[in-house]
Amino acid sequence: DAKTTQPPSMDCAEGRAANLPCNHSTISGNEYVYWYRQIHSQGPQYIIHGLKNNETNEMASLIITEDRKSSTLILPHATLRDTAVYYCIVRVAGAAGNKLTFGGGTRVLVKP
Amino acid sequence: DGGITQSPKYLFRKEGQNVTLSCEQNLNHDAMYWYRQDPGQGLRLIYYSQIVNDFQKGDIAEGYSVSREKKESFPLTVTSAQKNPTAFYLCASSVPGQGARDTQYFGPGTRLTVL
Repeated sequence: DAKTTQPPSMDCAEGRAANLPCNHSTISGNEYVYWYRQIHSQGPQYIIHGLKNNETNEMASLIITEDRKSSTLILPHATLRDTAVYYCIVRVAGAAGNKLTFGGGTRVLVKP
Repeated sequence: DGGITQSPKYLFRKEGQNVTLSCEQNLNHDAMYWYRQDPGQGLRLIYYSQIVNDFQKGDIAEGYSVSREKKESFPLTVTSAQKNPTAFYLCASSVPGQGARDTQYFGPGTRLTVL
């Protein structure tokens, strides 16, 4: 699975959009971009995933660049409950074993 | 409610004792996984099972054992051979072979402390 690079931390104001970048310059054509988040002392929570096209669900939007070498997770209106570590993961979907390789992630602190 | 449960949330054991962590899911998922997380670190895969009565070693299987006798259950035993067992243990499940829908869903975790 391709490696990802994320900033170690970022702050965000409550009610504002939070834009979380992720670089995955070695991504392969059959690898998807997944985002999870982990609130302190809880299990990771799936947020969204995508292959080439931009995706949106009730939690967030995922913007993938045309060359697929980077992506941005957007939390449209951050709340205090969005404070968590956010992980960007690149992997082949459906592969045997199919582990999730978590890097360091971005520690997001939403401030009032 | 459908989901994954892990019990207990906190577990304390003396060094040299085996301990079994429970993981149950009612999502009808075929695949289940065990990960370990150390403070400030990402997750590392211990074991996974894609179907009942079958399981495979992950990246750090030494000192651990699992069984998969039922689809809903995937218990993890931390044996005395595991040199540094104190960690946060996470169980996950998914429906394999579903392409991009092969999303892993996690339980709340068990924090094991060996004294």
